[in-house]
Amino acid sequence: NAGVTQTPKFQVLKTGQSMTLQCAQDMNHEYMSWYRQDPGMGLRLIHYSVGAGITDQGEVPNGYNVSRSTTEDFPLRLLSAAPSQTSVYFCATRLAGGRETQYFGPGTRLLVL
Amino acid sequence: SQQGEEDPQALSIQEGENATMNCSYKTSINNLQWYRQNSGRGLVHLILIRSNEREKHSGRLRVTLDTSKKSSSLLITASRAADTASYFCATDAGGAQKLVFGQGTRLTINP
Repeated sequence: NAGVTQTPKFQVLKTGQSMTLQCAQDMNHEYMSWYRQDPGMGLRLIHYSVGAGITDQGEVPNGYNVSRSTTEDFPLRLLSAAPSQTSVYFCATRLAGGRETQYFGPGTRLLVL
Repeated sequence: SQQGEEDPQALSIQEGENATMNCSYKTSINNLQWYRQNSGRGLVHLILIRSNEREKHSGRLRVTLDTSKKSSSLLITASRAADTASYFCATDAGGAQKLVFGQGTRLTINP
């Protein structure tokens, strides 16, 4: 039981490049979400999904796309990276139907030059 | 905007002392959660307190919630070096599907 996994752990991009951050979970959680964490700040919600085929925007969705084709996976896509997207990205999951504990992945550190 | 605001932003104490962190929020909530983040790691859930609860304990952790003041506190008793981390409160004030985090309190336990 791996819990929540994220790949890659670290990535350097040039401005304008695209990439996909991967998130996978084996806990059969319906709800998955992406956060970004900037220095000295808390986590801000980017996008979330309450189940396969359903996604919605969080607090800071601009510049990011998501899709949820399976329960297990919730990739986050940066179509054209910008230096303002330099951050640490965390994926989190929980059971749906409640406002319960979220389980976080280890994070992906992204540097956009 | 950040819903939860932690106070203080940083706290440094001696091992064995108690550490208290506070969290304030702006709108009504159904529950409030506390998370810990060790440097360079993901967040780990510590405790959840519901709006109809006033106090909750888990090991050396004690959380209180005052909905009239829209505030919560996290007390760590008999602190240990391993408690060194950042602590975040999070509320569901953004909606049922949107957990909103504060900026965190950075706690340092000195040996």
